[in-house]
Amino acid sequence: DTGVSQNPRHKITKRGQNVTFRCDPISEHNRLYWYRQTLGQGPEFLTYFQNEAQLEKSRLLSDRFSAERPKGSFSTLEIQRTEQGDSAMYLCASSLEGADTQYFGPGTRLTVL
Amino acid sequence: AQSVTQLGSHVSVSEGALVLLRCNYSSSVPPYLFWYVQYPNQGLQLLLKYTSAATLVKGINGFEAEFKKSETSFHLTKPSAHMSDAAEYFCAVIIIQGAQKLVFGQGTRLTINP
Repeated sequence: DTGVSQNPRHKITKRGQNVTFRCDPISEHNRLYWYRQTLGQGPEFLTYFQNEAQLEKSRLLSDRFSAERPKGSFSTLEIQRTEQGDSAMYLCASSLEGADTQYFGPGTRLTVL
Repeated sequence: AQSVTQLGSHVSVSEGALVLLRCNYSSSVPPYLFWYVQYPNQGLQLLLKYTSAATLVKGINGFEAEFKKSETSFHLTKPSAHMSDAAEYFCAVIIIQGAQKLVFGQGTRLTINP
């Protein structure tokens, strides 16, 4: 069991640049989640995939954000034209369909200058 | 809507003392409740969960939590704090319908004094 992995662990970018993060879930897990955690707050749900289908998106996910899971395995989260308010920890989690436990990756910390 | 509230953003205890982290929930249906721990610059690790079985739930690292429906609470306890328990703790409720997404509280930072 290799767990959920995320890359990169840290990303520093300038305002206006595009960034992309990757999440590799636990291999047999067909559900994948993205959460965002700002300083001093609990994680907030962004979006969810079951296999390759994106089934739910939060209102937090503006048009500048896009997520994909093309083959139902790894997922990418892209932020276009980054803003300082996008600075946060982006967490990925995975689970089996029907299971109640989500397993989290180490997160990608984004800093927008 | 389902939600959780964690009382106290910071808790400080002495090594060896009782740890009590408070969580109250709001739910119109029987909730599934979780406690996660987050060490600095790391992701979240599941400590324990309540899924409508036993009301007293035991987790990893000596932590336990009791589900009290009458008080809408799910407080986390540990009889004797260890320095390695210093971390951020999050209570969460799962939305069973649809995505089964987690809704987290704001977190409680636990500090252990030597």
